[in-house]
Amino acid sequence: SYVLTQPTSVSVSPGQTARITCSGDALPEKYSYWFQQKKSGQVPVMVIYEDTKRPSAIPERFSASSSGTTATLTISGAQVEDEADYYCYSIDPTGSYYVFGTGTKVTVL
Amino acid sequence: QVQLVESGGGTVQAGGSLRLACVASGLGLSDFGMHWVRQAPDKGLEWLALISHEGITKYAESVRGRFVISRDISTSTISLQLNGLRPDDTGVYYCAKPTALWGQGTLVTVSS
Repeated sequence: SYVLTQPTSVSVSPGQTARITCSGDALPEKYSYWFQQKKSGQVPVMVIYEDTKRPSAIPERFSASSSGTTATLTISGAQVEDEADYYCYSIDPTGSYYVFGTGTKVTVL
Repeated sequence: QVQLVESGGGTVQAGGSLRLACVASGLGLSDFGMHWVRQAPDKGLEWLALISHEGITKYAESVRGRFVISRDISTSTISLQLNGLRPDDTGVYYCAKPTALWGQGTLVTVSS
């Protein structure tokens, strides 16, 4: 089955840049999306859609790129309130089902 | 107000069944595809199923053949029938249009 692979954790100090990668074979052809979940059980919030687009309600410090089989979420000048779990999301190569990435815990301290 | 409200969660023994429902207020189900996503305790998000605006269904391999997604456009309700439940099906089940709107989730606990 199709897997989107993320690092388990990323840790930065406040004001530094956090980068989270998401690797998947279909990413050159399929859009990636990024979700933030501040606490397990809280409703996820989409922070990036269609590889690079940021919803209007999301702070400008969130950005993303996609190159080849890797999508990258960047938090520039990370804030303490950005501590959360982050998941990438996409569709499998055949378009048969969707997949969330393995998830990355971002710590800002 | 556009919102998704899930119901139907609860505790069931292994091998049992449950039917989850999601009422989509302010959303035309014939215009949008709707998904179910779950999260096991202290685990990541897992996509489960989709019913497209045309009524086409898709499933994750982990639930294909056990779970069935359906909809009733007249009542704006999306359902997920859970059959052959196992302890590892325990978790919070979300109804979602993932890029736009999520419900608050309903907890399913499967006891062995």
